[in-house]
Amino acid sequence: GDSVTQMEGPVTLSEEAFLTINCTYTATGYPSLFWYVQYPGEGLQLLLKATKADDKGSNKGFEATYRKETTSFHLEKGSVQVSDSAVYFCALTELKAAGNKLTFGGGTRVLVKP
Amino acid sequence: ETGVTQSPTHLIKTRGQQVTLRCSSQSGHNTVSWYQQALGQGPQFIFQYYREEENGRGNFPPRFSGLQFPNYSSELNVNALELDDSALYLCASTLAGTSTDTQYFGPGTRLTVL
Repeated sequence: GDSVTQMEGPVTLSEEAFLTINCTYTATGYPSLFWYVQYPGEGLQLLLKATKADDKGSNKGFEATYRKETTSFHLEKGSVQVSDSAVYFCALTELKAAGNKLTFGGGTRVLVKP
Repeated sequence: ETGVTQSPTHLIKTRGQQVTLRCSSQSGHNTVSWYQQALGQGPQFIFQYYREEENGRGNFPPRFSGLQFPNYSSELNVNALELDDSALYLCASTLAGTSTDTQYFGPGTRLTVL
């Protein structure tokens, strides 16, 4: 079945540092890939997505490129802020007759210190 | 703002009781999915409803059931509550007419089973 593996946290950074969160996936077909962010006490917010190989999703300074050859979708941001402190989830979905469930990784907690 | 709302925000129940959680999507969101997120983990797919019928189910027992209504609201019902059912329950909806692989999440209901 489908699965998503992402680096375990917590990841602790100083403000303006470079952030990378690794994500790899296993899927039977051609999934769409997502990064969701969860701030403390809140639900999930869609951060970015990519629907096919070599697509780059970007939003709020975050970027991730769909790499089919390495089955990866690593999240990067060049200069983090304290407000980026949150839990980040990598996820995939495949459109199937039985619905399009999201399969999530375990999440990576990021803490940015001033 | 995703336009997806959930109620209640928090809920405390005792083992063996039954609970109903509610979700309201924007008009036109004809697909709703429910997820269970245990503390410190990624969300797990419970089931999905499309046009008021179940359209895919994850690895959850039958005591987890749902309903979707014509006004785009939905319910998650859990019978015979167990301690392990303590989690954040998230609903997510898909906007009809757009790419059907992007799901928008509500803020969640935090269920505690004592």
